[in-house]
Amino acid sequence: GAGVSQSPSNKVTEKGKDVELRCDPISGHTALYWYRQSLGQGLEFLIYFQGNSAPDKSGLPSDRFSAERTGGSVSTLTIQRTQQEDSAVYLCASSWRGGSNYGYTFGSGTRLTVV
Amino acid sequence: QKEVEQNSGPLSVPEGAIASLNCTYSDRGSQSFFWYRQYSGKSPELIMSIYSNGDKEDGRFTAQLNKASQYVSLLIRDSQPSDSATYLCADTGGGADGLTFGKGTHLIIQP
Repeated sequence: GAGVSQSPSNKVTEKGKDVELRCDPISGHTALYWYRQSLGQGLEFLIYFQGNSAPDKSGLPSDRFSAERTGGSVSTLTIQRTQQEDSAVYLCASSWRGGSNYGYTFGSGTRLTVV
Repeated sequence: QKEVEQNSGPLSVPEGAIASLNCTYSDRGSQSFFWYRQYSGKSPELIMSIYSNGDKEDGRFTAQLNKASQYVSLLIRDSQPSDSATYLCADTGGGADGLTFGKGTHLIIQP
Protein backbone atom coordinates (compact mmCIF):
# COMPACT_ATOMS: atom_id res chain seq x y z
CA GLY A 1 0.00 0.00 0.00
CA ALA A 2 0.92 3.65 -0.17
CA GLY A 3 1.52 3.95 3.54
CA VAL A 4 1.54 2.00 6.79
CA SER A 5 -2.03 1.13 7.70
CA GLN A 6 -3.14 0.40 11.25
CA SER A 7 -6.50 -0.76 12.52
CA PRO A 8 -8.55 -0.05 14.44
CA SER A 9 -7.73 3.65 14.80
CA ASN A 10 -9.41 3.70 18.20
CA LYS A 11 -10.24 0.89 20.59
CA VAL A 12 -11.99 1.10 23.93
CA THR A 13 -11.98 -2.11 25.90
CA GLU A 14 -12.87 -3.28 29.36
CA LYS A 15 -10.13 -4.23 31.77
CA GLY A 16 -9.36 -7.94 31.50
CA LYS A 17 -10.40 -8.31 27.87
CA ASP A 18 -8.01 -9.28 25.09
CA VAL A 19 -7.33 -6.96 22.14
CA GLU A 20 -5.70 -7.37 18.74
CA LEU A 21 -4.07 -4.51 16.90
CA ARG A 22 -3.23 -4.81 13.24
CA CYS A 23 -0.48 -3.30 11.12
CA ASP A 24 -0.17 -3.49 7.35
CA PRO A 25 3.27 -2.16 6.32
CA ILE A 26 4.33 -0.50 3.11
CA SER A 27 4.56 -3.09 0.35
CA GLY A 28 8.10 -4.41 0.05
CA HIS A 29 9.21 -3.23 3.48
CA THR A 30 10.82 -6.18 5.22
CA ALA A 31 11.32 -4.59 8.63
CA LEU A 32 8.39 -3.84 10.94
CA TYR A 33 8.44 -2.23 14.37
CA TRP A 34 5.90 -1.75 17.13
CA TYR A 35 6.17 1.17 19.55
CA ARG A 36 3.80 2.61 22.08
CA GLN A 37 3.42 6.19 23.22
CA SER A 38 1.71 7.08 26.45
CA LEU A 39 0.27 10.56 26.97
CA GLY A 40 3.07 13.10 27.05
CA GLN A 41 5.74 10.41 26.83
CA GLY A 42 8.26 9.37 24.25
CA LEU A 43 8.15 6.34 22.02
CA GLU A 44 8.69 3.03 23.81
CA PHE A 45 10.10 0.22 21.64
CA LEU A 46 8.12 -3.02 21.88
CA ILE A 47 9.22 -5.47 19.18
CA TYR A 48 10.94 -5.67 15.81
CA PHE A 49 10.31 -8.06 12.92
CA GLN A 50 12.65 -8.84 10.06
CA GLY A 51 10.50 -10.80 7.67
CA ASN A 52 8.40 -13.11 9.83
CA SER A 53 10.93 -13.52 12.60
CA ALA A 54 11.32 -11.31 15.64
CA PRO A 55 15.03 -10.88 16.45
CA ASP A 56 14.23 -8.51 19.26
CA LYS A 57 11.30 -8.89 21.64
CA SER A 58 13.11 -7.11 24.46
CA GLY A 59 10.65 -4.27 24.69
CA LEU A 60 7.50 -6.28 25.34
CA PRO A 61 6.42 -5.10 28.81
CA SER A 62 5.02 -8.42 30.04
CA ASP A 63 3.99 -11.90 28.91
CA ARG A 64 0.49 -10.51 28.28
CA PHE A 65 1.93 -8.94 25.13
CA SER A 66 2.65 -10.96 22.02
CA ALA A 67 3.05 -10.25 18.34
CA GLU A 68 3.27 -12.15 15.12
CA ARG A 69 3.85 -11.42 11.49
CA THR A 70 2.76 -13.62 8.63
CA GLY A 71 3.76 -13.69 5.00
CA GLY A 72 6.36 -11.03 5.66
CA SER A 73 3.57 -8.50 5.65
CA VAL A 74 0.73 -7.96 8.14
CA SER A 75 1.51 -8.00 11.84
CA THR A 76 -0.80 -8.29 14.81
CA LEU A 77 -0.02 -7.18 18.34
CA THR A 78 -2.12 -8.98 20.95
CA ILE A 79 -2.59 -7.81 24.49
CA GLN A 80 -4.22 -10.33 26.80
CA ARG A 81 -6.08 -9.47 30.00
CA THR A 82 -5.71 -5.74 29.37
CA GLN A 83 -4.91 -3.41 32.24
CA GLN A 84 -5.48 0.32 32.56
CA GLU A 85 -1.74 0.96 32.28
CA ASP A 86 -1.90 -0.53 28.77
CA SER A 87 -3.79 2.58 27.62
CA ALA A 88 -1.61 4.31 25.04
CA VAL A 89 -1.21 4.92 21.32
CA TYR A 90 0.32 1.88 19.66
CA LEU A 91 2.38 2.83 16.63
CA CYS A 92 3.62 0.56 13.89
CA ALA A 93 6.44 1.53 11.56
CA SER A 94 8.09 -0.16 8.62
CA SER A 95 11.36 0.20 6.78
CA TRP A 96 12.46 -1.28 3.50
CA ARG A 97 15.02 -3.34 5.34
CA GLY A 98 16.29 -3.83 8.83
CA GLY A 99 19.20 -1.84 10.10
CA SER A 100 18.86 1.46 11.80
CA ASN A 101 20.46 3.40 8.96
CA TYR A 102 17.05 3.47 7.36
CA GLY A 103 14.39 5.77 8.69
CA TYR A 104 10.97 4.45 9.46
CA THR A 105 7.55 5.32 8.11
CA PHE A 106 4.95 5.30 10.85
CA GLY A 107 1.30 4.38 10.65
CA SER A 108 -1.34 6.62 12.17
CA GLY A 109 -1.54 4.47 15.27
CA THR A 110 -4.20 2.73 17.34
CA ARG A 111 -5.39 4.63 20.40
CA LEU A 112 -6.17 2.02 23.04
CA THR A 113 -8.22 2.96 26.08
CA VAL A 114 -8.74 0.40 28.82
CA VAL A 115 -11.66 1.25 31.11
CA GLN B 1 20.47 1.61 29.17
CA LYS B 2 21.04 3.61 26.00
CA GLU B 3 19.42 7.00 26.19
CA VAL B 4 18.56 9.97 24.04
CA GLU B 5 17.99 13.20 25.94
CA GLN B 6 16.04 16.23 24.83
CA ASN B 7 14.77 19.29 26.62
CA SER B 8 11.00 18.87 26.73
CA GLY B 9 10.34 22.59 26.35
CA PRO B 10 8.17 24.25 25.40
CA LEU B 11 10.58 26.20 23.25
CA SER B 12 8.96 29.39 22.05
CA VAL B 13 10.38 31.14 18.97
CA PRO B 14 9.02 34.17 17.09
CA GLU B 15 7.91 33.65 13.51
CA GLY B 16 10.75 34.16 11.05
CA ALA B 17 13.49 33.43 13.58
CA ILE B 18 15.76 30.38 13.76
CA ALA B 19 14.58 27.55 16.01
CA SER B 20 17.38 25.45 17.50
CA LEU B 21 16.57 22.00 18.87
CA ASN B 22 19.18 19.94 20.68
CA CYS B 23 19.69 16.29 21.54
CA THR B 24 22.38 14.27 23.30
CA TYR B 25 22.86 10.53 23.17
CA SER B 26 24.63 8.07 25.42
CA ASP B 27 25.88 5.38 23.02
CA ARG B 28 29.20 6.29 21.41
CA GLY B 29 28.65 3.50 18.92
CA SER B 30 25.53 5.06 17.41
CA GLN B 31 25.99 5.81 13.74
CA SER B 32 22.73 7.17 12.44
CA PHE B 33 20.48 9.89 13.74
CA PHE B 34 17.02 11.00 12.78
CA TRP B 35 14.72 13.92 13.46
CA TYR B 36 10.97 13.30 13.44
CA ARG B 37 8.21 15.86 13.69
CA GLN B 38 4.99 14.95 15.49
CA TYR B 39 1.91 17.12 15.40
CA SER B 40 -0.51 16.75 18.28
CA GLY B 41 -2.60 13.62 17.86
CA LYS B 42 -0.65 12.50 14.80
CA SER B 43 2.11 9.97 14.21
CA PRO B 44 5.77 10.95 13.80
CA GLU B 45 7.06 11.83 10.35
CA LEU B 46 10.69 11.69 9.32
CA ILE B 47 12.15 15.07 8.38
CA MET B 48 15.94 14.63 8.50
CA SER B 49 18.59 11.95 8.83
CA ILE B 50 22.30 12.46 9.44
CA TYR B 51 25.16 9.98 9.58
CA SER B 52 28.36 12.03 9.32
CA ASN B 53 29.88 14.73 11.46
CA GLY B 54 29.05 18.21 10.31
CA ASP B 55 25.99 19.84 8.82
CA LYS B 56 23.34 18.52 6.47
CA GLU B 57 20.92 20.97 4.91
CA ASP B 58 17.48 20.31 3.42
CA GLY B 59 15.43 23.37 2.62
CA ARG B 60 14.81 25.34 5.81
CA PHE B 61 16.15 22.48 7.95
CA THR B 62 19.77 21.86 8.94
CA ALA B 63 20.85 18.88 11.01
CA GLN B 64 24.17 19.04 12.83
CA LEU B 65 26.09 16.10 14.27
CA ASN B 66 29.09 16.11 16.58
CA LYS B 67 30.02 12.53 17.45
CA ALA B 68 32.87 13.58 19.76
CA SER B 69 30.40 15.50 21.92
CA GLN B 70 27.55 13.00 21.29
CA TYR B 71 25.37 15.87 20.25
CA VAL B 72 22.80 16.30 17.48
CA SER B 73 20.87 19.43 16.67
CA LEU B 74 18.18 20.60 14.27
CA LEU B 75 17.97 24.18 13.07
CA ILE B 76 14.81 25.50 11.45
CA ARG B 77 15.31 28.75 9.55
CA ASP B 78 12.52 31.25 8.87
CA SER B 79 10.27 29.49 11.39
CA GLN B 80 6.59 29.30 10.48
CA PRO B 81 3.56 28.70 12.73
CA SER B 82 3.13 25.38 10.89
CA ASP B 83 6.46 24.28 12.36
CA SER B 84 4.84 24.19 15.79
CA ALA B 85 5.03 20.54 16.83
CA THR B 86 7.01 18.12 18.97
CA TYR B 87 10.39 17.21 17.50
CA LEU B 88 11.76 13.77 18.31
CA CYS B 89 15.42 12.89 18.07
CA ALA B 90 16.29 9.21 17.48
CA ASP B 91 19.47 7.20 17.22
CA THR B 92 20.56 3.68 16.51
CA GLY B 93 21.00 2.78 20.17
CA GLY B 94 17.84 0.70 20.34
CA GLY B 95 17.46 -3.06 20.68
CA ALA B 96 18.53 -5.06 17.62
CA ASP B 97 17.87 -2.70 14.77
CA GLY B 98 15.42 -0.51 16.59
CA LEU B 99 15.71 3.23 17.01
CA THR B 100 15.82 4.82 20.46
CA PHE B 101 13.75 7.99 20.65
CA GLY B 102 14.06 10.96 22.94
CA LYS B 103 10.90 12.24 24.61
CA GLY B 104 10.79 15.18 22.24
CA THR B 105 10.93 18.96 22.39
CA HIS B 106 7.68 20.88 22.10
CA LEU B 107 8.28 23.82 19.73
CA ILE B 108 5.90 26.78 19.54
CA ILE B 109 6.30 29.35 16.76
CA GLN B 110 4.66 32.60 17.80
CA PRO B 111 3.03 34.60 14.96
